[in-house]
Amino acid sequence: GAVVSQHPSRVICKSGTSVKIECRSLDFQATTMFWYRQFPKQSLMLMATSNEGSKATYEQGVEKDKFLINHASLTLSTLTVTSAHPEDSSFYICSARDDNLGDYEQYFGPGTRLTVT
Amino acid sequence: AQKVTQAQTEISVVEKEDVTLDCVYETRDTTYYLFWYKQPPSGELVFLIRRNSFDEQNEISGRYSWNFQKSTSSFNFTITASQVVDSAVYFCALSDQTGANNLFFGTGTRLTVIP
Repeated sequence: GAVVSQHPSRVICKSGTSVKIECRSLDFQATTMFWYRQFPKQSLMLMATSNEGSKATYEQGVEKDKFLINHASLTLSTLTVTSAHPEDSSFYICSARDDNLGDYEQYFGPGTRLTVT
Repeated sequence: AQKVTQAQTEISVVEKEDVTLDCVYETRDTTYYLFWYKQPPSGELVFLIRRNSFDEQNEISGRYSWNFQKSTSSFNFTITASQVVDSAVYFCALSDQTGANNLFFGTGTRLTVIP
């Protein structure tokens, strides 16, 4: 089956620094990738959608300058949290989809737990 | 607008009991997809089922079964003879007719199976 990986699985960074999270599709072409954020004991909230080679589309209320998304290839998307603050601490989950398959199935990565101190 | 409601925030059952997780959805689309995902403590989302809005047949997969009732806009999930390994947060989700847009997740139901 389709596998999506995320790296790192956990990261701790200091307030004011930036951190990059990678999302890779391992055995399929991810024409579309999604980034979700999940606060403790809450649901997944979509942050942005990106298509390979295009600018990401951000959901309302998500700061595009703070959460930089790059979908430079069909197997890799990155989310960079710039100037991180403690309130950015969350569980970030990516998902990927191969639109050429026609089933519109999203395959989820294992998530990255970000802690900003 | 799309909306998914999981009214049960937390459920606890004793091992071997059956448990049903409720999911009610709202959509204006005539064609849509419904999903259930399991999120164990490790955090990874585990896909359980996808159901097309035109397919109202109930489905059974081992100890899992799903009851899709279009008339009540519900897509309930039943675990039979629950096991400790079933302890997790379960999310119901909805996507539009093409699936081209994002998944709308419910708030999740935390299931604890007590040995």
